[in-house]
Amino acid sequence: QKEVEQNSGPLSVPEGAIASLNCTYSDRGSQSFFWYRQYSGKSPELIMFIYSNGDKEDGRFTAQLNKASQYVSLLIRDSQPSDSATYLCAVGSSYNQGGKLIFGQGTELSVKP
Amino acid sequence: SAVISQKPSRDICQRGTSLTIQCQVDSQVTMMFWYRQQPGQSLTLIATANQGSEATYESGFVIDKFPISRPNLTFSTLTVSNMSPEDSSIYLCSTFSWGSDGETQYFGPGTRLLVL
Repeated sequence: QKEVEQNSGPLSVPEGAIASLNCTYSDRGSQSFFWYRQYSGKSPELIMFIYSNGDKEDGRFTAQLNKASQYVSLLIRDSQPSDSATYLCAVGSSYNQGGKLIFGQGTELSVKP
Repeated sequence: SAVISQKPSRDICQRGTSLTIQCQVDSQVTMMFWYRQQPGQSLTLIATANQGSEATYESGFVIDKFPISRPNLTFSTLTVSNMSPEDSSIYLCSTFSWGSDGETQYFGPGTRLLVL
């Protein structure tokens, strides 16, 4: 069974620090990798996506992908209290599955002022 | 990015009844997806809805319980049939689009369902 694993947290970091969120996946054929942020009572909001090994930066966010290790991470620099939310890692199943995502359980992040 | 709306945004229903959730996308899309998020849990894919063909259901979900319609390229409905309290969840529709960077997938605001 294809799985996506995340530490459930909560992960607590002080304001201004770097928050590091990690995700592993079981399907070696996975092609696309997404990070969503979900505030309580809201629907998931896409933050980053990454397809290729290495780093991808967007503002304060950096996604890192290592397909050999089946590992994807999200770094949030200069964390703000408004970043406090649950972060969902999602993996696009093998190429011919056309858009289906498998989600991890989510990591709750708390940024303390 | 696609803009997705859902109706209703929330509902409280009695067990044994059915509820139909509507999903509207502001552009034509090939695939639409329906997910469920049970309280305190992550998202689980219910089915994939392609226009002009039967929906494809994931393991553990059946058409009799979650019938889906996809009458055109911008609209889909999910019905939750013969509801029980275990169906209390957030139901989300989503679609994906191809940009210069690759595929991105977006979610509607969700329908919060409480079954009594």
